Order: sequence, then structure tokens, then C-alpha cells
Amino acid sequence: GQNIDQPTEMTATEGAIVQINCTYQTSGFNGLFWYQQHAGEAPTFLSYNVLDGLEEKGRFSSFLSRSKGYSYLLLKELQMKDSASYLCAVMDSNYQLIWGAGTKLIIKP
Amino acid sequence: IAGITQAPTSQILAAGRRMTLRCTQDMRHNAMYWYRQDLGLGLRLIHYSNTAGTTGKGEVPDGYSVSRANTDDFPLTLASAVPSQTSVYFCASSDSSGGPTGELFFGEGSRLTVL
Repeated sequence: GQNIDQPTEMTATEGAIVQINCTYQTSGFNGLFWYQQHAGEAPTFLSYNVLDGLEEKGRFSSFLSRSKGYSYLLLKELQMKDSASYLCAVMDSNYQLIWGAGTKLIIKP
Repeated sequence: IAGITQAPTSQILAAGRRMTLRCTQDMRHNAMYWYRQDLGLGLRLIHYSNTAGTTGKGEVPDGYSVSRANTDDFPLTLASAVPSQTSVYFCASSDSSGGPTGELFFGEGSRLTVL
């Protein structure tokens, strides 16, 4: 079966750095996506990785290792507004998105 | 403002009733999707449409139907609602004119409670 694993919840301090991991087992691979979802709101697209390595976008970076079936989302200089759930999704060989359950990130002052 | 509009935003429904969730987009995206989101589970695809006039079944299609008469509208119908269909429903779209993409644009969601 296809599976996306990510921690259920993480806590970090304002101004710090946090790394949210995602491991996947899917039928084929056509890219990995990270989304942010604030409570009660719609998910919004954050990043896309299809090749191994690090993609940086401001305070957010996303890393991919296809051989290990592993990705992480790195958030720097954490702000209170970063409190949200972060969803990892993989596009499989049929170009369908397989979603993880999400990681709820709690930022403390 | 361009985007996706869903209606209603919230609804309480008696079991056995028929319900249609509406979804309209103004971005001229060719692909549209319906997901349900339940606590502790990832988003699960109900139905999708790659282009107007075509639809396909996702991971959890039973009890739901969709239609895609034009580019902008993609309604989801529950023919006879059951309590297990209590969930938050998200409509999404993507511009797949250049090929499949996982960059989806989501509506604000419809919270449905079936009693």
C-alpha cells in the first residue's frame, strides 16, 4: 500500500528553527509537495521537490532524498503565525496525490 | 478576487437527505477535485475531473457523485447522507495544461454534519 508518515504534533519556540520530517512509500514518484493549513482554513501550497536536494524559499526550505523516501520542511526564524498544520503529499505514478495526515506545529513565545 | 468558492460553508443534515455541495472557480483551471478531511487522516480524494465533461473516481467515491458540465463548476452530491459522511469537504483546482501538477488551489471548505 501507499503510505505517508509525518509526526502528529511538534512544538517549537518563536525565533527558533524546526524541521518537520516526512517519509513515504508510494507506487512511483512524480514529486513531493508541502502545504500549510491554518486551523479552520484551506491548505495552501508551500513547496515542490522532484529532484534530490534542498529548495529554499525565504524562511522555508524543503529537502528531498528519493533513494531514502524522505523529505523535510525546515522553518527558520519561527513566528507565531507559523502555528499551523503542515501537510506532506506525494504524487504517485498515476499522478494522484497521496497525503500525509499532517503535522500540527505549535509555536510558543 | 480570483479563486474557488464553496457553498455552503457549514451544514447540518439529517441522515437520508440529499445534499449538494457547490464549487465554482474563476481561474479557468481545467482540473478540479473534491477531498474530504477527517481528524487524524490525510486528505482523501473523492472524485476528480481532468477537464470539463469528464470525471473520475478517487480513493473514497462511494455515496458521492459529481458532474462537470463546464470549466467553472464542479458540484458534489450526496444522494442519501449517512453519519460517516460527516467531514470537512474541500474543493480544489489546478492548472494542468502543462501536465499534471500537485499545486492545488483550495476552497475554504464545507463543514458537513450528518445526524
